[in-house]
Amino acid sequence: GAVVSQHPSRVICKSGTSVKIECRSLDFQATTMFWYRQFPKQSLMLMATSNEGSKATYEQGVEKDKFLINHASLTLSTLTVTSAHPEDSSFYICSARGTGGLDTQYFGPGTRLTVL
Amino acid sequence: AQSVAQPEDQVNVAEGNPLTVKCTYSVSGNPYLFWYVQYPNRGLQFLLKYITGDNLVKGSYGFEAEFNKSQTSFHLKKPSALVSDSALYFCAVELSGGGADGLTFGKGTHLIIQP
Repeated sequence: GAVVSQHPSRVICKSGTSVKIECRSLDFQATTMFWYRQFPKQSLMLMATSNEGSKATYEQGVEKDKFLINHASLTLSTLTVTSAHPEDSSFYICSARGTGGLDTQYFGPGTRLTVL
Repeated sequence: AQSVAQPEDQVNVAEGNPLTVKCTYSVSGNPYLFWYVQYPNRGLQFLLKYITGDNLVKGSYGFEAEFNKSQTSFHLKKPSALVSDSALYFCAVELSGGGADGLTFGKGTHLIIQP
């Protein structure tokens, strides 16, 4: 149980294009999903918190107009990197927390974004 | 603000020996503490968590961790290391309050188990 998937696992795009990453909780309902970013050999940094049916909450320094988050259902959240630039290249990881608040965050396998 | 410190970038242990990966935290309030493991180019796998109750928490793959409030530590331990335990380990903290917060991670510790 508690499986989270991400799609795609790897994406390469040209500078200026937009990329959408999907995060799905496969066997549980996730009222809250989180998006993290991990640079090479560094820790995960929280980007935003996504609650189903409401606007995402972004961490300080994260541009909400660049990183669009939609949490349309209890099993799906999407992160769209708009007008991507090479500095946006990173490993993006989502996590999902089930109903109940105290549940563990379960992480997706991550998406490697490379912007040329 | 909450923070997590993992003082060791790398820990080397011989197979079969006990291992410890250190973690200390700073948070105002009651912490929820977690350990995750990451294999190359993969997401994080949950190992164990401390929410409340018994200070010694047992988790996946034979790992355990002890919550020490006075030392604000949550060290990860295993009695006998396996080569397959070699990976990147993250300690994380969340301020208690209903699960609305994301996790604050330590920088990670590379665990290398030598055959």
